[in-house]
Amino acid sequence: GENVEQHPSTLSVQEGDSAVIKCTYSDSASNYFPWYKQELGKRPQLIIDIRSNVGEKKDQRIAVTLNKTAKHFSLHITETQPEDSAVYFCAARSNFGNEKLTFGTGTRLTIIP
Amino acid sequence: EPEVTQTPSHQVTQMGQEVILRCVPISNHLYFYWYRQILGQKVEFLVSFYNNEISEKSEIFDDQFSVERPDGSNFTLKIRSTKLEDSAMYFCASRVESNQPQHFGDGTRLSIL
Repeated sequence: GENVEQHPSTLSVQEGDSAVIKCTYSDSASNYFPWYKQELGKRPQLIIDIRSNVGEKKDQRIAVTLNKTAKHFSLHITETQPEDSAVYFCAARSNFGNEKLTFGTGTRLTIIP
Repeated sequence: EPEVTQTPSHQVTQMGQEVILRCVPISNHLYFYWYRQILGQKVEFLVSFYNNEISEKSEIFDDQFSVERPDGSNFTLKIRSTKLEDSAMYFCASRVESNQPQHFGDGTRLSIL
């Protein structure tokens, strides 16, 4: 089955600086890669996603890049703000079968004011 | 924007008791999921449900677990005889059709005493 590794587990960034979180996946059949932001005690919220036919996607201060050959994808947050502090999870999904999500282990991002 | 709703938000149960967690997926969604998140850990897939039957289940989803869609709106997860290690946040998710994002509910925090 799919295995998703995520690094780093914790990340502290000065407000205004950029943050980068990296994930690798094992199953070459995975073709959809969402990123979720989870605030304490809340639901995972989809913030951006990318499909395997695209190398990069951007939405305001958030961008995701995908390298299918190397099987890794990254989340980039620019001009970080205190409200970006949360746990971020990457995930991978195959279009086959029931399309379950396999999550990474999460990154606790802290923005230092 | 329509949301997945879950009840209760917090359930405290004695070990060995049965518990039912309830979810109301988004109304036009066809695919339903349960995930579990033990405190401080990643989100793990439990089971997927489509066309009134289980389409896939994980190793965690043993004989003590069952799911049901008793009517056109509710989707339930039952744990027959709870164990201490069942303590976790349980998230319901749904999606409308193939290749679309999953939307998560706010979760039910299950505490087994």
